[in-house]
Amino acid sequence: QKEVEQDPGPLSVPEGAIVSLNCTYSNSAFQYFMWYRQYSRKGPELLMYTYSSGNKEDGRFTAQVDKSSKYISLFIRDSQPSDSATYLCAMSAPDSWGKFQFGAGTQVVVTP
Amino acid sequence: KAGVTQTPRYLIKTRGQQVTLSCSPISGHRSVSWYQQTPGQGLQFLFEYFSETQRNKGNFPGRFSGRQFSNSRSEMNVSTLELGDSALYLCASSQGLGNTEAFFGQGTRLTVV
Repeated sequence: QKEVEQDPGPLSVPEGAIVSLNCTYSNSAFQYFMWYRQYSRKGPELLMYTYSSGNKEDGRFTAQVDKSSKYISLFIRDSQPSDSATYLCAMSAPDSWGKFQFGAGTQVVVTP
Repeated sequence: KAGVTQTPRYLIKTRGQQVTLSCSPISGHRSVSWYQQTPGQGLQFLFEYFSETQRNKGNFPGRFSGRQFSNSRSEMNVSTLELGDSALYLCASSQGLGNTEAFFGQGTRLTVV
């Protein structure tokens, strides 16, 4: 079993809808949680960074972390065709020195 | 502020050859991590360098090595290339003190033929 599980999709939504993405994990030592967006043939772009549990909002993006359930989520409001990409969750433990455990990535398609 | 710069963007090499990839981190960042991304395995951690010292290493064979220079620029080397080494190689830059955000470059796409 992988340390981080993420549904690869594809997830298809109409423009303007809310995109809901999630990851589950098994390592209780993880305390730092990130969401990246990756367009085809590009490097991952950091969207959200969260420490421990709680919610964080940045523009149209909201990240949630529930450490008790080992479950993290990313919500994208008012989705646009330009949001079509692969979304990767990543997490790390204290003193992991650059070693992030990534999910497989969820491919999102926002249709006009 | 310039982002993370990786060179070259594309490489084609023959089995058995060696290759060197370069990464220049964001100014002021002292940590550089390297990842291999393939369709089957996703993103896998190779190693991390901070102030010219390797602090962490993933589960890759010794053919994969790296180093970091005093200006924080990093290189990774793969010797005796195999077909399975074909991948997108990504480097990530961070401040390196504690678990701060990591920013990725555009990657080097290596094709081994």
